[in-house]
Amino acid sequence: KAGVTQTPRYLIKTRGQQVTLSCSPISGHRSVSWYQQTPGQGLQFLFEYFSETQRNKGNFPGRFSGRQFSNSRSEMNVSTLELGDSALYLCASSLFLAGEAEQFFGPGTRLTVL
Amino acid sequence: GENVEQHPSTLSVQEGDSAVIKCTYSDSASNYFPWYKQELGKGPQLIIDIRSNVGEKKDQRIAVTLNKTAKHFSLHITETQPEDSAVYFCAASLNDMRFGAGTRLTVKP
Repeated sequence: KAGVTQTPRYLIKTRGQQVTLSCSPISGHRSVSWYQQTPGQGLQFLFEYFSETQRNKGNFPGRFSGRQFSNSRSEMNVSTLELGDSALYLCASSLFLAGEAEQFFGPGTRLTVL
Repeated sequence: GENVEQHPSTLSVQEGDSAVIKCTYSDSASNYFPWYKQELGKGPQLIIDIRSNVGEKKDQRIAVTLNKTAKHFSLHITETQPEDSAVYFCAASLNDMRFGAGTRLTVKP
């Protein structure tokens, strides 16, 4: 069974640009959650999508957005990039809502903002 | 919202010794407490989890205990091996997952 895949694995952008990251969950999983991981702030919850609906949202500005498609694949978008957005972005999938079933993490997308 | 604190931030043990990592949470309604292991260049991997209706769970060398009254839970690794070296995260979940800051465990051969 294939694991969670994230593309691209590495990305370099400049301030002011926007970026779209993609996550393909494990087949059959309906929930996809996104997290930002930085050395200073640790793992922080961005949002969770379940059956194409955003179910929960963390404390991030509106520049961070996401969506989920009918095949459960998810994308997150960050607009007007800032230096502080440099981080490892992780997505995790689960059969049911996070907290109701085990979450499986992808390898992450390393975003560097110059 | 939920706030999770994790201690210690770094832990170094000799191979064969035990390692204990402790976490506290703030929201008494949280009902799911997973522990993740993250190796360099990889995403976190679930190693054990516990729900609020259980006080202790064990899986081979790994165990987790939960004290709902005190709102803390702990990870215990016995007979540590060099391959246990990694960063460990605790988390607490009610509506979303909140993570501790992580513990870097080093097991010296």
